Amino acid sequence: GQQLNQSPQSMFIQEGEDVSMNCTSSSIFNTWLWYKQDPGEGPVLLIALYKAGELTSNGRLTAQFGITRKDSFLNISASIPSDVGIYFCAGRSGNQFYFGTGTSLTVIP
Amino acid sequence: SAVISQKPSRDICQRGTSLTIQCQVDSQVTMMFWYRQQPGQSLTLIATANQGSEATYESGFVIDKFPISRPNLTFSTLTVSNMSPEDSSIYLCSVWDRVTEAFFGQGTRLTVV
Repeated sequence: GQQLNQSPQSMFIQEGEDVSMNCTSSSIFNTWLWYKQDPGEGPVLLIALYKAGELTSNGRLTAQFGITRKDSFLNISASIPSDVGIYFCAGRSGNQFYFGTGTSLTVIP
Repeated sequence: SAVISQKPSRDICQRGTSLTIQCQVDSQVTMMFWYRQQPGQSLTLIATANQGSEATYESGFVIDKFPISRPNLTFSTLTVSNMSPEDSSIYLCSVWDRVTEAFFGQGTRLTVV
């Protein structure tokens, strides 16, 4: 199936820094999703986006639905150690979900 | 959001044997999916579990190797048959009910020795 391209693949940042990651697709989606996966756990939904240009926040996390509907962005402000994990984007088309390649985030105290 | 219970959380199995993974949801859901996640990799869809009928498998996955059952709207099982070390992976159950987005179980970490 289609896989979305995420970048960067991994990030190592200092605690307190802001983080940005993005996800691109060759296809248009009407729904963009961002998940976080902690080690040994299943992915947990962070933010859902339903409209091109939409900007949605969840605490220190902010995600945007790209105008072209082929991309999405996730920003984390003032990172803390518990932000460590793998972040996945996903595009939904009907009842089909397509996941990104993942961004591994390491926060250095 | 739906609460998903996936069992077992981990197992170590001998090659040639089979393991059945269970996924129980606390509410009726429209769709249930099974994914495989290799270490450090993204999620790969194995199949969509259909209630009362055969599962819909993705390319590269076959029913003989990954038989799936879904007897009702809250329960599904995935069996990994005739296991080899290459089947060592994390297996994830996911549900979607058209009202909320996809949720995942905690996963089953399988090691085949």
